[in-house]
Amino acid sequence: AQSVTQLGSHVSVSEGALVLLRCNYSSSVPPYLFWYVQYPNQGLQLLLKYTSAATLVKGINGFEAEFKKSETSFHLTKPSAHMSDAAEYFCAVSPYSSASKIIFGSGTRLSIRP
Amino acid sequence: DAGITQSPRHKVTETGTPVTLRCHQTENHRYMYWYRQDPGHGLRLIHYSYGVKDTDKGEVSDGYSVSRSKTEDFLLTLESATSSQTSVYFCAISEGKNTGELFFGEGSRLTVL
Repeated sequence: AQSVTQLGSHVSVSEGALVLLRCNYSSSVPPYLFWYVQYPNQGLQLLLKYTSAATLVKGINGFEAEFKKSETSFHLTKPSAHMSDAAEYFCAVSPYSSASKIIFGSGTRLSIRP
Repeated sequence: DAGITQSPRHKVTETGTPVTLRCHQTENHRYMYWYRQDPGHGLRLIHYSYGVKDTDKGEVSDGYSVSRSKTEDFLLTLESATSSQTSVYFCAISEGKNTGELFFGEGSRLTVL
């Protein structure tokens, strides 16, 4: 069985500050891990994905995430927040090679203060 | 952007009426999915399709049915809408089951009064 827990339904940071969105997962098999972003009134789009290659994954718009097996975590970071980063972010896990089994977290809304 | 079109984008209906949401893709992807998004629940899979006339249930399939008669179209039907089905519905597609990378439509907001 798999599950995803996103810590914090809402995170607020100042423009230029570090962004850290937390995700912990549970999986009985080697997982694929994903971060998706959803801008207002839009569908989700893939930010980055981990598929058992490098543990530090770089995505679009300056975001990156690190897979830590010992901590069962896949936190999303960005060194310097920009106003355009305001959106909802979803962590997701799927078992090795099965998109139909993707489980999404409940989401974290990121707000950016000027 | 992936060519995914959902219709209607907004619909208000009454309890007990049938509703059909349509997802149309121009990418020729084999896999198509219907999700619902509710506050505090993230996205939950309703049904998915792995080919024409091949469909399977997801996590929250009760009260929903689907059909896929052509590669490009995936229909979601609520036979008798209930207020608990008020939600935002997203269609997604993927090239294959191995990638886990989904491309989403812009969503259909359904309100059941």
